[in-house]
Amino acid sequence: AIQLTQSPSSLSASVGDRVTITCRASQGITNTIAWYQQKPGKAPKVLIYDVSNLETGVPSRFSGSGSGTEFTLTISSLQPEDFATYHCQQFNSYPLTFGGGTKVEI
Amino acid sequence: EVQLVESGGGLVQPGGSLRLSCAASGFTFSNYWMTWVRQAPGKGLEWMANINQDGSENFYLDSVKGRFTISRDNAKNSLYLQMNSLRADDTAVYYCARDVLRFLKWHTDFDLWGRGTLVTVSS
Repeated sequence: AIQLTQSPSSLSASVGDRVTITCRASQGITNTIAWYQQKPGKAPKVLIYDVSNLETGVPSRFSGSGSGTEFTLTISSLQPEDFATYHCQQFNSYPLTFGGGTKVEI
Repeated sequence: EVQLVESGGGLVQPGGSLRLSCAASGFTFSNYWMTWVRQAPGKGLEWMANINQDGSENFYLDSVKGRFTISRDNAKNSLYLQMNSLRADDTAVYYCARDVLRFLKWHTDFDLWGRGTLVTVSS
């Protein structure tokens, strides 16, 4: 199984900060990484698919990049509604796996 | 409204069984791959199983293979997860989610999620 390791597991940031979250895969992935945002008590919401494609309706301050085994989610200017937990997921092979999550706190 | 609504969770003893349901509405259910994802309390997300449009193809996480069975009834717009031989580490919120077709390719992300149903395995 492909393991996804997210770093950091949590971070403290302020409104307006640029935030970068990394997702490292245990083996190479061919552009099938998605990123989700999850708020407490809520279901995840997709932000990015296929590494860098922004889901419709998601603000452009979110972006994704990467290739091979290292992928990143960047929030260019953190907004109050962005405080949440972020998860990466790979669709390269079964079993589909998620990273451990990154909690973005104030 | 396009939505997924899970039901069937609850408290069950170790070794017991439970059947989860997911009711889909607002879209053509039979056109989509569907999946179950769980989240143990305070933990990350874990993909469990998925099933293709007509139920002829499915995949499972190794730790639930042989214990859990995913199925669907397109006439009822419903997805199911039959869970047998439940263990304490199966305690989690269980979400159903819709796979999405993008650029003629399946399995890029899950674009629609239910609110989840809590399963607690405890004596």
